[in-house]
Amino acid sequence: LAKTTQPISMDSYEGQEVNITCSHNNIATNDYITWYQQFPSQGPRFIIQGYKTKVTNEVASLFIPADRKSSTLSLPRVSLSDTAVYYCLVGEIGNTPLVFGKGTRLSVIA
Amino acid sequence: GAVVSQHPSRVICKSGTSVKIECRSLDFQATTMFWYRQFPKQSLMLMATSNEGSKATYEQGVEKDKFLINHASLTLSTLTVTSAHPEDSSFYICSAETGETQYFGPGTRLLVL
Repeated sequence: LAKTTQPISMDSYEGQEVNITCSHNNIATNDYITWYQQFPSQGPRFIIQGYKTKVTNEVASLFIPADRKSSTLSLPRVSLSDTAVYYCLVGEIGNTPLVFGKGTRLSVIA
Repeated sequence: GAVVSQHPSRVICKSGTSVKIECRSLDFQATTMFWYRQFPKQSLMLMATSNEGSKATYEQGVEKDKFLINHASLTLSTLTVTSAHPEDSSFYICSAETGETQYFGPGTRLLVL
């Protein structure tokens, strides 16, 4: 399973765009990149998943360069309620367990 | 997205007793579910992989006789913490995969007194 590296923490003001980058230098050909959000005392919530290039949904965008050795989660116009821990995970899909790193603790300030 | 539920959401028990936690996939079938444990200020740690109709696969360091897993149907997996001790107090989270994405339950807070 590919190991991931993310910043431990980030701060942002409300209304700003937040970009969280994740490094995964040993990503395998069959690996996908998935981001989850976790609030205290709750299970992780799926945000977005991608394999290459760019993926966008109603919540976020995921940018993946051609070499796939990193990825960037982009959260547009964050609000206080986006304060949470964000996890980047890399692995095959199809009943494969996920290995969680330390995640990035995002604090949104008014 | 798909919905995974857990019951109970929190439980307090006495040391030495057993506690059962249920994990259900509400709108999809899951041949495989996963159980994680999370201590305060730490990340999720995989405990075991629960396979419908077969024995669970445990991660290194997780005692299979202490953490009993039963995956009796395509929508239900249970984790039983046997002879619980205070050090078992933690946040237990399950997940199930739709075939493309893993969805997590809301978690169960266990406190062993």
